[in-house]
Amino acid sequence: EIVLTQSPGTLSLSPGERATLSCRASQRVSSSFLAWYQQKPGQAPRLLIYGTSSRATGIPDRFSGSGSGTDFTLTISRLEPEDFAVYYCQQYGSSQITFGQGTRLEIK
Amino acid sequence: QLQLQESGPGLVKPSETVSLTCTVSGSGSISISNYYWGWIRQTPGKGLEWIGNIYYSGSTYYNPSLKSRVTISVDTSKNQFSLRLSSVTAADTAVYYCARHISDSSGHWSVDYWGQGTLVTVSS
Repeated sequence: EIVLTQSPGTLSLSPGERATLSCRASQRVSSSFLAWYQQKPGQAPRLLIYGTSSRATGIPDRFSGSGSGTDFTLTISRLEPEDFAVYYCQQYGSSQITFGQGTRLEIK
Repeated sequence: QLQLQESGPGLVKPSETVSLTCTVSGSGSISISNYYWGWIRQTPGKGLEWIGNIYYSGSTYYNPSLKSRVTISVDTSKNQFSLRLSSVTAADTAVYYCARHISDSSGHWSVDYWGQGTLVTVSS
């Protein structure tokens, strides 16, 4: 099983700043396929990015994904108030899915 | 707009089997190519844990760590799919989400629609 480790655990930033979230895999991710989700309190996660860098339907272009192999990044170019939430990465391999433990993005 | 709604008991006794059903409504049939229908749970301690999924044809895929206790089934006539988790313990207490998995051209899954989640508590 591929283990995903996200860092930092908590990121404190102000609106308007740039956020960089990291996801590192314990082994090479299949075809470098990685997805990112956003979760707000009391809500289900929402798909942001799939296939490492493709934005899901309706996701603003301030969200971008990059990376390959074992190291992946979610970047939020300019933080809006509604972006403060928990973010999870997810990989697919060997007909199963695993998630990272999450990064909490909080207002500084 | 596709909607997924979980239903089932909120409280289950240890060693029993919990059964949850997900009803799919809105713009979409469960019998569509490239979509899988599955379950994911979330606990404060373990975060998001994938349980498994099913294709409308009946093919199933399970998390190896839960495989011996999990059964996922589909009823295309009702546009529903279900989860059975046997021999539950307190460690199975979680919010359970039903979710649509989308498969890309290379067969990789991501989860594009989620239910609102239902809390299942295992306690005597």
